[in-house]
Amino acid sequence: QQQVKQSPQSLIVQKGGISIINCAYENTAFDYFPWYQQFPGKGPALLIAIRPDVSEKKEGRFTISFNKSAKQFSLHIMDSQPGDSATYFCAAKEDSNYQLIWGAGTKLIIKP
Amino acid sequence: GAGVSQTPSNKVTEKGKYVELRCDPISGHTALYWYRQSLGQGPEFLIYFQGTGAADDSGLPNDRFFAVRPEGSVSTLKIQRTERGDSAVYLCASSLQQGQTQYFGPGTRLLVL
Repeated sequence: QQQVKQSPQSLIVQKGGISIINCAYENTAFDYFPWYQQFPGKGPALLIAIRPDVSEKKEGRFTISFNKSAKQFSLHIMDSQPGDSATYFCAAKEDSNYQLIWGAGTKLIIKP
Repeated sequence: GAGVSQTPSNKVTEKGKYVELRCDPISGHTALYWYRQSLGQGPEFLIYFQGTGAADDSGLPNDRFFAVRPEGSVSTLKIQRTERGDSAVYLCASSLQQGQTQYFGPGTRLLVL
């Protein structure tokens, strides 16, 4: 029940296209859902996060869509650029808790 | 400092040796976390400090692993009698308080030969 399932494992998108990464969770007590971006040799960096009181959050080219009833959330990267090539992790936790439960990651490659 | 820093960035050691990995959190952050990340995986929680005390060490895999944070800022992760299976990237993160956004360091890449 603590798992966060992330798909796909890897993704190749043409420059200018839309990249979509999906995550599903089981624990209905989760109420904070961040996405982290990790470049090779670096630690994960918070990209964008959402709480379940909204269905969508947009920051620049990055959008989180959240479906509370389906217990799913997804990251959309619009106008994908080669610089977006990285590994993306979704995560979830209860707001008052410190323990992030992580997805397995998606390696995104944007082809020029 | 500007962000979380970790030293060394890379560490190669032989099986059976002792290693220490250091984490300097963001100044003023009271919460500090250690994670381990294997290739192609998400970070795996090891231990969480609130101030000087280890509030949760349930993620430490066995008693060869130990961590300290004696003055509530810098933390050291200590691994005794290293094994090849300990090879991974060890990540440190800090947050202003428990439950708030975690900011990660670049990690220490540990290779046990």
